[in-house]
Amino acid sequence: GAGVSQSPSNKVTEKGKDVELRCDPISGHTALYWYRQSLGQGLEFLIYFQGNSAPDKSGLPSDRFSAERTGGSVSTLTIQRTQQEDSAVYLCASSLVGGRQETQYFGPGTRLLVL
Amino acid sequence: GNSVTQMEGPVTLSEEAFLTINCTYTATGYPSLFWYVQYPGEGLQLLLKATKADDKGSNKGFEATYRKETTSFHLEKGSVQVSDSAVYFCASGGDGGATNKLIFGTGTLLAVQP
Repeated sequence: GAGVSQSPSNKVTEKGKDVELRCDPISGHTALYWYRQSLGQGLEFLIYFQGNSAPDKSGLPSDRFSAERTGGSVSTLTIQRTQQEDSAVYLCASSLVGGRQETQYFGPGTRLLVL
Repeated sequence: GNSVTQMEGPVTLSEEAFLTINCTYTATGYPSLFWYVQYPGEGLQLLLKATKADDKGSNKGFEATYRKETTSFHLEKGSVQVSDSAVYFCASGGDGGATNKLIFGTGTLLAVQP
């Protein structure tokens, strides 16, 4: 079946602008994760959604970052007033219910460049 | 906090050589352990995993054994191929918290030469 999809695949923006990144998880997966892959920080967790539970936002680096998940499916990560240090690849992953043994399936990522 | 440490790269090998990429973890509980691989131009994909002590994960000729006593999950392959050239990430997850987020190592670039 279809995997995790993300859009756009690439995004170039100017410092100070807002950006929205979209993630479509695998159908039927209730757990959704956002990660960031950058040269300086490696792969780091940002935020986690599971069903109707309150999201775990413990990985968001600042209050400029926010995310929502509508209808338990599609998620949007928003970065306000982008800074150059936000340049990275933003990865979305989903798993069936978020269990500890489950495989997380990753999307191809959105490469964000802030000029 | 929890962390994963894996050997620095790049690792350069000739085809058919033996591969070991070391990975150790620190955790407050009993995490599941994963190896993910990122081939050039592609996304992260699961290579193998182990969910409890002494479990061995295996796939595509790669193996890793969950060693609780040494907190390690080293990746091995007996005979590498050029097509194995990629970045390999060790990760731990699900050590008892509400969020089974993955904690990744820094990645090891493997280059296999013909």
